[in-house]
Amino acid sequence: DTAVSQTPKYLVTQMGNDKSIKCEQNLGHDTMYWYKQDSKKFLKIMFSYNNKELIINETVPNRFSPKSPDKAHLNLHINSLELGDSAVYFCASSQRSEGDIQYFGAGTRLSVL
Amino acid sequence: RKEVEQDPGPFNVPEGATVAFNCTYSNSASQSFFWYRQDCRKEPKLLMSVYSSGNEDGRFTAQLNRASQYISLLIRDSKLSDSATYLCVVNRLGSSNTGKLIFGQGTTLQVKP
Repeated sequence: DTAVSQTPKYLVTQMGNDKSIKCEQNLGHDTMYWYKQDSKKFLKIMFSYNNKELIINETVPNRFSPKSPDKAHLNLHINSLELGDSAVYFCASSQRSEGDIQYFGAGTRLSVL
Repeated sequence: RKEVEQDPGPFNVPEGATVAFNCTYSNSASQSFFWYRQDCRKEPKLLMSVYSSGNEDGRFTAQLNRASQYISLLIRDSKLSDSATYLCVVNRLGSSNTGKLIFGQGTTLQVKP
């Protein structure tokens, strides 16, 4: 019973392709997040949605587009992939948006060749 | 200057040792504080929240000094299974009470037999 699940776990693709990562949480949380962890291990927030509404949008290229069809799902679509997009992408969720404890998915390791 | 700073280590200690990690944060608007643990190639998981009065959970003790903007984690009687990266995390509220978790780079601990 995985609380926050994301797919795929690994994604290897060519530069210029478009790809999506899916995330689902079964915790009944209101808020979901996307983070990027680069090779230096820094974990940085990209987006946050509360009840399907975008509330945090960090300085992220507009090639990255999050979509939340309902509060249990937050998908990440990436257009025109670049080498620098290679990283581990983590989805997370929390009860509220005010900085509650966050629960993370297992991560998607994206490699752009 | 990074908003949350940690010594990346690695800290190499023998089993049974006591080890302490420190973390400083720069934004005095930070509201809540956490230590997360991240095992190699895994997602971050909450280790413990950090309260102003200090708190203990088994072999783990967390302290917060708001005046100095400093957080610490003490691990007593280290076990091999404590080997991981420990992430110092602070939350600050932005507009509309939207919380944002800011992660430190992490401190790597290796416990040796």
